Order: sequence, then C-alpha cells, then structure tokens
Amino acid sequence: GQQLNQSPQSMFIQEGEDVSMNCTSSSIFNTWLWYKQDPGEGPVLLIALYKAGELTSNGRLTAQFGTTRKDSFLNISASIPSDVGIYFCAGQLRGGSQGNLIFGKGTKLSVKP
Amino acid sequence: DAGITQSPRYKITETGRQVTLMCHQTWSHSYMFWYRQDLGHGLRLIYYSAAADITDKGEVPDGYVVSRSKTENFPLTLESATRSQTSVYFCASSEGGGSGANVLTFGAGSRLTVL
Repeated sequence: GQQLNQSPQSMFIQEGEDVSMNCTSSSIFNTWLWYKQDPGEGPVLLIALYKAGELTSNGRLTAQFGTTRKDSFLNISASIPSDVGIYFCAGQLRGGSQGNLIFGKGTKLSVKP
Repeated sequence: DAGITQSPRYKITETGRQVTLMCHQTWSHSYMFWYRQDLGHGLRLIYYSAAADITDKGEVPDGYVVSRSKTENFPLTLESATRSQTSVYFCASSEGGGSGANVLTFGAGSRLTVL
C-alpha cells in the first residue's frame, strides 16, 4: 500500500530545545494532519493543513504543507516535558476517499527536564 | 458522556473465539473508522463507514467484520480471533463532507490480547 515515511523515529532532547520532524512520500496528498498520542490514549489532532505551502501554528507548534504536496513538517519550539509522546503525520491521497487517511509510523519524543 | 467511547478498554481472549469491540459517538458524525496500532506499523485502517449501512474495507480488513445500523455505533467483530490480531484498536469519527471528513477524532482505544 501507500506509505508515508516519517522521521526521525525517535528523539531525545533537552527541555527548551526546538524539535523538527517530517513526513515524505512519493505520492501527492490533498490534506496533511499532525496528531499527538499520549501513553494509553488515542491520537489527538494538533494541526490540519489543506493547501500546498500552507503554514499553520498552534501555540508552540508550527506545521507546513510542502509545496510539492508530497511532504509536511512539524516544528515544536521551546520544548517542555508535557511535549513527550508520539507524533503522527497523516494524509489523504489525491484521488483518495474522503476520510481514508494514511498514517506515518510516528516520531517518539522524549524530553529531559 | 459526549464524545467517542470504546468498550471494552481491555480484553483477553483465546484463539478461535469471537470478539466484538464497541464504538459509540455522540456527535452524529457521518464517518466512522477502525484502526489497529502495532509496533513498527503505526496506525492501519481496517474498515470505515461514510454513513449508516455504508461500509468499506481499509488496508487490513481480513478477519474482521463491521456493521453500521445506526449512525452513532460502529462495532468491530473478530469472528475467529487469531494471535496476529493482538493489537490496540482505535475507533475514530469525523464530520461528513469536504475537508471535515479528514479530521478524525479518536477514542481512547481497546487493547486486545489473543492467547
């Protein structure tokens, strides 16, 4: 099936550092979403992106819809301990069914106080 | 309670048994989904439904059955559980139409162990 390549797989950072992660694909996407999952919980939506080149912020989080429509980036500025969790990108393929998303395998973020 | 709820949260069963995982949402969302989450695979779509009585296969449908007789409920049944179906299962829902269909809200998950 279609794949999203999400990197890095895991990150260990110091509190206060900035974080960057990304998802890439060989296919074109109409929508990109970024989710965060805390242990024992379901993923929670952070940011949704709908247009190529779109840059959207949610507090310390900023995500971009790549101009080629084949990638997306998530940045977290000034990380804090509660940023710990697994971050997933998800996308809807161009021509794909509405609601039928493909998920990346996740980036596990650990923050050292 | 408002939102999307899954039950049971934890289930242990034996190979060959039938298991049903329940999902209920209170928003009247058109779309509902079942995903499984496994280490190394991320989230993979099992089945989804665009409306009551309409269901479609996702990436990994084999061994699973779904139904959607009411908009608010979307049960997932494993007719004869296998060890490979040990996983965490997430139900999700979204509004219908346009880009809203892609913004999924997830339940808390059901952890299933098949012995």
